Amino acid sequence: GAGVSQSPSNKVTEKGKDVELRCDPISGHTALYWYRQSLGQGLEFLIYFQGNSAPDKSGLPSDRFSAERTGGSVSTLTIQRTQQEDSAVYLCASSLVGDLSYEQYFGPGTRLTVT
Amino acid sequence: AQKVTQAQTEISVVEKEDVTLDCVYETRDTTYYLFWYKQPPSGELVFLIRRNSFDEQNEISGRYSWNFQKSTSSFNFTITASQVVDSAVYFCALSEVTGNQFYFGTGTSLTVIP
Repeated sequence: GAGVSQSPSNKVTEKGKDVELRCDPISGHTALYWYRQSLGQGLEFLIYFQGNSAPDKSGLPSDRFSAERTGGSVSTLTIQRTQQEDSAVYLCASSLVGDLSYEQYFGPGTRLTVT
Repeated sequence: AQKVTQAQTEISVVEKEDVTLDCVYETRDTTYYLFWYKQPPSGELVFLIRRNSFDEQNEISGRYSWNFQKSTSSFNFTITASQVVDSAVYFCALSEVTGNQFYFGTGTSLTVIP
């Protein structure tokens, strides 16, 4: 079946512009996660959505970052007024159950470059 | 402090050698889960194994084996008779159910030389 998909695969933007990153989870998966992977670093946990519950936003690096999940499916990560330090690969994952105990299935990521 | 430490940044081995990737974690939760993921050069992370904090049995899956020791807070991963296809970055991860947090280590880049 279809895996997690993300779009765009690459995004180059100018400093100060807003960007939107999209994630389509695996159908039927209740939980959706966003991570940031900077060059040579591990994965930084940003936010996750568990079913229809309000997400825990405490992992977002600044108030320029926000995320939505519409209808319990597609999610959008928005970065406002992008800065060069936002350059990274943004990964999305989904899991069948959302209590952090289940394996996550990852998408291919969106590589964001802020010039 | 790092919640998940993978001290080995890069490892190179010759094909057919055994290799162990170390993972040390830190948590105060009594219920937690440990994971290993593989990120091949193509980029997508692939789930390998999950362990809960109440199950210290070691596990073997083909050439892969995992050694979970709560006494040393370690969850090490061994590849036996390594192959070139094992070349990838391997991440260890911890989830704290109570704290609603998920932590990845910084990864170990494994290169298997033919």
